Amino acid sequence: KQEVTQIPAALSVPEGENLVLNCSFTDSAIYNLQWFRQDPGKGLTSLLLIQSSQREQTSGRLNASLDKSSGRSTLYIAASQPGDSATYLCAVYWMTTDSWGKLQFGAGTQVVVTP
Amino acid sequence: NAGVTQTPKFQVLKTGQSMTLQCAQDMNHEYMSWYRQDPGMGLRLIHYSVGAGITDQGEVPNGYNVSRSTTEDFPLRLLSAAPSQTSVYFCASSALLPGGKLFFGSGTQLSVL
Repeated sequence: KQEVTQIPAALSVPEGENLVLNCSFTDSAIYNLQWFRQDPGKGLTSLLLIQSSQREQTSGRLNASLDKSSGRSTLYIAASQPGDSATYLCAVYWMTTDSWGKLQFGAGTQVVVTP
Repeated sequence: NAGVTQTPKFQVLKTGQSMTLQCAQDMNHEYMSWYRQDPGMGLRLIHYSVGAGITDQGEVPNGYNVSRSTTEDFPLRLLSAAPSQTSVYFCASSALLPGGKLFFGSGTQLSVL
């Protein structure tokens, strides 16, 4: 069964510290992986998308790495700010033979950055 | 640029009532989908569409119906609401298949009493 896990479910860091968020998946034959941000009462915003052939993607203070062999992706947020407080979700996409593919979400990590 | 628009934002139903959640996108995306988000369970796919006239079931389709008559709109119908359908519903769209960047609406919070 293809599963996506995010641990821890929540963490709190002081402002300025680097954030490290983890995403693990059970089937390494992924097509791609996306990281999302969700603010309370809002929809999800895609932050980064990594194709299976890539090792990392960067956007500003965000860097996401992908290690298919170990079934892991890590989202790094440098020099965290209170505005980074949100829930971060990862989603893994697998190709399938009987449908248009399968996108599985993790349950998310709730982040609080304290001033 | 509106992106993905969902209405209503909040809805309270009584058990057995029916309703339609609306979703519209103005990005000319072929792929559209509906998810429900429940505490501790993440997002689960209800139904999806890969173009006008083409829909398919996701992980939790029971009790829901969809149709796609235009590229822009993808309504979700609750046939006979049950308390188990209390959830937050999200519509999402993507330009690419497979596995393109997903754009989400702001969600509909539904309570079934």
